[in-house]
Amino acid sequence: QVQLQESGPGLLRPSQTLSLTCAVSGDPIHRSTFLWTWIRQRPGDGLEWMGHIFYSGSTSYNPSLRSRLFISVDTSTNQFSLRLTSVTAADTAVYYCAREISSRRTNYFDLWGQGTLVTVSS
Amino acid sequence: QSVLTQPPSVSGAPGQRVVISCTGNSSNIGAPYDVHWYQHLPGTAPKLLIYVNTNRPSGVPDRFSAFRSGASASLAISGLQAEDEADYYCQSYDNSLSGSSVFGTGTKVTVL
Repeated sequence: QVQLQESGPGLLRPSQTLSLTCAVSGDPIHRSTFLWTWIRQRPGDGLEWMGHIFYSGSTSYNPSLRSRLFISVDTSTNQFSLRLTSVTAADTAVYYCAREISSRRTNYFDLWGQGTLVTVSS
Repeated sequence: QSVLTQPPSVSGAPGQRVVISCTGNSSNIGAPYDVHWYQHLPGTAPKLLIYVNTNRPSGVPDRFSAFRSGASASLAISGLQAEDEADYYCQSYDNSLSGSSVFGTGTKVTVL
């Protein structure tokens, strides 16, 4: 079955760039009609959709993160990645990658990774 | 900040029915945009529970049901079981300044 697995550093200093990768197994990204998504959950807060990418490279970002966020895809390795620049303590969160299905009026997320905790601290 | 409001917690005894509300406004659920629901046990991958307002993915028990009316939606769990103890989130789309998928504040279900 299809599985998603996040990887990346668990600790960053303020002003650094966060880079995370999501490995997709069981479903070739380049043959799918799905979107590939990053979602995070900050401590004590709800879930926040960050952005998504199609295998072609087309992206959409949460307006609140657009200036700092870049999502890319590598179909040769069946992975997609997140890069978030100039991190602060407010970016401390559990980061999830997920598969997003386009629906008629509202997309939804049918598969998720386990999540990876990223802490930003000096 | 979540734009969809859920009660922080609900509880019930095994076998009982609990209902979780998700309240939005005219920019999201009331626009109207569809609502989806997720079950999340901390430390695990969130699980899609309901999609497009009322539909259950394969493998989700029919004890879980949902409905939407106006700018609100609700998730009902009938015949509550110990394994249902988890966090539950609603999700929709918001066409205001955020212009993106949005989640509810989350509800912790406790089985007494």
